[in-house]
Amino acid sequence: TQLLEQSPQFLSIQEGENLTVYCNSSSVFSSLQWYRQEPGEGPVLLVTVVTGGEVKKLKRLTFQFGDARKDSSLHITAAQPGDTGLYLCAGHRGKLIFGQGTELSVKP
Amino acid sequence: GAVVSQHPSWVICKSGTSVKIECRSLDFQATTMFWYRQFPKKSLMLMATSNEGSKATYEQGVEKDKFLINHASLTLSTLTVTSAHPEDSSFYICSAKLQGARTEAFFGQGTRLTVV
Repeated sequence: TQLLEQSPQFLSIQEGENLTVYCNSSSVFSSLQWYRQEPGEGPVLLVTVVTGGEVKKLKRLTFQFGDARKDSSLHITAAQPGDTGLYLCAGHRGKLIFGQGTELSVKP
Repeated sequence: GAVVSQHPSWVICKSGTSVKIECRSLDFQATTMFWYRQFPKKSLMLMATSNEGSKATYEQGVEKDKFLINHASLTLSTLTVTSAHPEDSSFYICSAKLQGARTEAFFGQGTRLTVV
Protein backbone atom coordinates (compact mmCIF):
# COMPACT_ATOMS: atom_id res chain seq x y z
CA THR A 1 0.00 0.00 0.00
CA GLN A 2 1.40 3.36 -1.06
CA LEU A 3 1.31 5.85 1.78
CA LEU A 4 1.55 8.79 -0.59
CA GLU A 5 -0.48 8.53 -3.79
CA GLN A 6 0.79 10.77 -6.52
CA SER A 7 -1.21 11.45 -9.68
CA PRO A 8 -1.02 11.44 -12.54
CA GLN A 9 1.99 9.19 -12.94
CA PHE A 10 2.55 10.29 -16.53
CA LEU A 11 1.68 13.58 -18.18
CA SER A 12 2.49 14.73 -21.69
CA ILE A 13 1.44 18.25 -22.62
CA GLN A 14 2.20 21.02 -25.09
CA GLU A 15 4.25 24.05 -24.23
CA GLY A 16 2.09 26.79 -22.75
CA GLU A 17 -0.45 24.51 -21.10
CA ASN A 18 -1.15 24.44 -17.39
CA LEU A 19 -1.02 21.32 -15.24
CA THR A 20 -1.57 20.13 -11.70
CA VAL A 21 0.05 17.21 -9.94
CA TYR A 22 -1.57 15.81 -6.82
CA CYS A 23 -0.11 14.09 -3.80
CA ASN A 24 -2.65 12.49 -1.47
CA SER A 25 -2.55 10.48 1.71
CA SER A 26 -4.80 9.35 4.51
CA SER A 27 -2.01 10.15 6.95
CA VAL A 28 -0.88 13.45 8.39
CA PHE A 29 2.62 14.66 7.64
CA SER A 30 4.65 17.16 9.65
CA SER A 31 5.98 18.55 6.39
CA LEU A 32 5.86 17.76 2.72
CA GLN A 33 8.48 18.37 0.09
CA TRP A 34 8.45 18.53 -3.69
CA TYR A 35 11.43 17.50 -5.76
CA ARG A 36 12.31 17.55 -9.44
CA GLN A 37 14.62 14.94 -10.86
CA GLU A 38 16.26 14.72 -14.26
CA PRO A 39 17.51 11.43 -15.75
CA GLY A 40 20.77 10.27 -14.20
CA GLU A 41 20.67 12.91 -11.49
CA GLY A 42 19.55 13.04 -7.89
CA PRO A 43 16.34 14.82 -6.86
CA VAL A 44 16.55 18.57 -6.36
CA LEU A 45 14.41 20.13 -3.67
CA LEU A 46 11.87 22.63 -4.98
CA VAL A 47 9.94 23.50 -1.84
CA THR A 48 9.03 22.42 1.67
CA VAL A 49 5.56 23.12 3.02
CA VAL A 50 4.94 22.87 6.73
CA THR A 51 1.74 24.66 7.68
CA GLY A 52 -1.72 23.38 6.76
CA GLY A 53 -3.21 25.57 4.03
CA GLU A 54 0.17 26.98 3.11
CA VAL A 55 0.72 28.18 -0.44
CA LYS A 56 4.17 28.79 -1.86
CA LYS A 57 5.11 30.13 -5.25
CA LEU A 58 8.30 29.54 -7.17
CA LYS A 59 8.07 31.48 -10.44
CA ARG A 60 5.49 29.54 -12.50
CA LEU A 61 5.14 26.80 -9.89
CA THR A 62 2.55 27.01 -7.12
CA PHE A 63 2.60 24.56 -4.24
CA GLN A 64 -0.22 24.05 -1.80
CA PHE A 65 -0.39 22.05 1.42
CA GLY A 66 -3.83 20.82 2.43
CA ASP A 67 -5.46 22.21 5.54
CA ALA A 68 -5.25 18.81 7.24
CA ARG A 69 -1.63 18.30 6.11
CA LYS A 70 -2.55 15.10 4.33
CA ASP A 71 -2.28 16.25 0.74
CA SER A 72 -0.51 18.66 -1.52
CA SER A 73 -0.59 19.90 -5.07
CA LEU A 74 1.85 21.35 -7.54
CA HIS A 75 0.48 23.61 -10.26
CA ILE A 76 2.61 24.71 -13.19
CA THR A 77 1.44 27.64 -15.29
CA ALA A 78 2.42 27.95 -18.95
CA ALA A 79 4.64 24.87 -18.93
CA GLN A 80 7.90 24.98 -20.85
CA PRO A 81 10.07 22.17 -22.27
CA GLY A 82 12.57 22.90 -19.50
CA ASP A 83 9.96 21.77 -16.97
CA THR A 84 10.26 18.21 -18.29
CA GLY A 85 11.32 15.77 -15.60
CA LEU A 86 10.20 13.51 -12.79
CA TYR A 87 8.36 15.34 -10.02
CA LEU A 88 8.31 13.68 -6.62
CA CYS A 89 6.42 14.55 -3.50
CA ALA A 90 7.73 13.31 -0.18
CA GLY A 91 6.18 13.47 3.24
CA HIS A 92 8.05 13.43 6.48
CA ARG A 93 6.97 10.97 9.19
CA GLY A 94 10.19 10.26 11.00
CA LYS A 95 11.71 9.58 7.60
CA LEU A 96 10.96 10.76 4.10
CA ILE A 97 8.26 8.79 2.31
CA PHE A 98 8.07 9.34 -1.43
CA GLY A 99 5.13 9.26 -3.76
CA GLN A 100 5.36 7.27 -6.98
CA GLY A 101 6.45 10.29 -8.99
CA THR A 102 4.97 12.10 -11.98
CA GLU A 103 6.82 11.87 -15.27
CA LEU A 104 6.16 15.18 -17.02
CA SER A 105 6.95 15.75 -20.67
CA VAL A 106 6.43 19.19 -22.15
CA LYS A 107 6.61 19.26 -25.93
CA PRO A 108 7.56 22.41 -27.82
CA GLY B 1 22.53 25.43 -0.65
CA ALA B 2 24.27 22.51 0.93
CA VAL B 3 26.04 20.10 -1.37
CA VAL B 4 26.07 16.33 -1.23
CA SER B 5 28.54 14.59 -3.48
CA GLN B 6 28.28 10.97 -4.50
CA HIS B 7 31.05 8.94 -6.08
CA PRO B 8 31.28 7.27 -8.49
CA SER B 9 28.53 8.52 -10.79
CA TRP B 10 28.44 5.20 -12.53
CA VAL B 11 30.15 1.85 -12.15
CA ILE B 12 30.13 -1.44 -14.01
CA CYS B 13 31.25 -4.53 -12.16
CA LYS B 14 31.30 -8.27 -12.64
CA SER B 15 28.95 -10.60 -10.80
CA GLY B 16 30.35 -11.68 -7.48
CA THR B 17 32.48 -8.62 -6.87
CA SER B 18 31.83 -5.86 -4.33
CA VAL B 19 31.32 -2.20 -5.08
CA LYS B 20 31.68 0.75 -2.73
CA ILE B 21 29.74 3.98 -3.20
CA GLU B 22 30.66 7.12 -1.27
CA CYS B 23 28.39 9.90 -0.12
CA ARG B 24 29.96 13.11 1.18
CA SER B 25 28.47 16.26 2.61
CA LEU B 26 30.81 18.92 1.28
CA ASP B 27 30.01 22.00 3.29
CA PHE B 28 28.10 20.79 6.32
CA GLN B 29 28.13 18.05 8.90
CA ALA B 30 25.56 15.33 8.54
CA THR B 31 24.93 13.09 11.51
CA THR B 32 22.35 11.24 9.48
CA MET B 33 22.51 10.15 5.87
CA PHE B 34 20.06 8.06 3.92
CA TRP B 35 20.52 5.54 1.14
CA TYR B 36 17.86 5.02 -1.51
CA ARG B 37 17.43 2.76 -4.49
CA GLN B 38 15.54 3.85 -7.57
CA PHE B 39 14.35 1.76 -10.49
CA PRO B 40 13.86 3.34 -13.94
CA LYS B 41 11.09 5.96 -13.92
CA LYS B 42 10.10 4.89 -10.43
CA SER B 43 10.17 6.51 -7.05
CA LEU B 44 12.89 6.32 -4.43
CA MET B 45 12.86 3.42 -2.00
CA LEU B 46 14.58 4.00 1.30
CA MET B 47 17.09 1.25 1.97
CA ALA B 48 18.67 2.36 5.22
CA THR B 49 19.40 5.23 7.53
CA SER B 50 23.07 5.78 8.23
CA ASN B 51 23.96 7.24 11.62
CA GLU B 52 27.42 8.60 12.34
CA GLY B 53 29.22 6.45 14.85
CA SER B 54 26.55 3.77 15.14
CA LYS B 55 24.98 0.96 13.17
CA ALA B 56 22.75 1.72 10.24
CA THR B 57 19.02 1.13 10.46
CA TYR B 58 17.78 -0.97 7.56
CA GLU B 59 14.30 -0.95 6.09
CA GLN B 60 12.29 -4.12 6.01
CA GLY B 61 13.38 -6.44 3.24
CA VAL B 62 16.84 -4.93 2.79
CA GLU B 63 19.67 -7.37 3.49
CA LYS B 64 22.13 -5.70 5.80
CA ASP B 65 24.86 -8.23 5.02
CA LYS B 66 24.54 -7.51 1.33
CA PHE B 67 24.33 -3.72 1.58
CA LEU B 68 26.98 -2.70 4.09
CA ILE B 69 26.77 0.84 5.35
CA ASN B 70 29.50 2.66 7.19
CA HIS B 71 29.22 6.22 8.51
CA ALA B 72 32.64 6.77 9.99
CA SER B 73 32.66 10.56 10.02
CA LEU B 74 30.24 13.47 10.01
CA THR B 75 30.82 14.03 6.31
CA LEU B 76 31.10 10.56 4.83
CA SER B 77 28.86 7.53 4.52
CA THR B 78 29.63 4.54 2.32
CA LEU B 79 27.42 1.85 0.85
CA THR B 80 29.10 -1.38 -0.19
CA VAL B 81 27.16 -3.77 -2.37
CA THR B 82 28.73 -7.14 -1.61
CA SER B 83 28.80 -10.10 -3.99
CA ALA B 84 26.86 -8.10 -6.53
CA HIS B 85 24.45 -9.79 -8.91
CA PRO B 86 22.70 -8.44 -12.03
CA GLU B 87 19.50 -7.89 -10.01
CA ASP B 88 21.44 -5.38 -7.88
CA SER B 89 21.80 -3.16 -10.93
CA SER B 90 20.04 0.07 -10.11
CA PHE B 91 20.39 3.77 -9.40
CA TYR B 92 21.54 4.34 -5.81
CA ILE B 93 21.08 7.76 -4.25
CA CYS B 94 22.16 9.14 -0.91
CA SER B 95 20.87 12.13 0.97
CA ALA B 96 21.99 14.01 4.04
CA LYS B 97 20.29 15.83 6.84
CA LEU B 98 21.59 19.06 8.30
CA GLN B 99 22.15 18.86 12.02
CA GLY B 100 19.08 20.18 13.72
CA ALA B 101 16.92 19.96 10.61
CA ARG B 102 13.67 18.04 10.76
CA THR B 103 14.25 16.30 7.48
CA GLU B 104 16.88 15.86 4.85
CA ALA B 105 16.70 17.99 1.79
CA PHE B 106 19.95 17.46 -0.05
CA PHE B 107 20.54 14.57 -2.36
CA GLY B 108 23.64 13.30 -4.10
CA GLN B 109 23.70 13.00 -7.85
CA GLY B 110 23.24 9.25 -7.70
CA THR B 111 25.31 6.25 -8.75
CA ARG B 112 24.29 4.04 -11.64
CA LEU B 113 25.41 0.48 -10.83
CA THR B 114 25.44 -2.11 -13.59
CA VAL B 115 26.39 -5.66 -12.69
CA VAL B 116 27.33 -7.85 -15.65
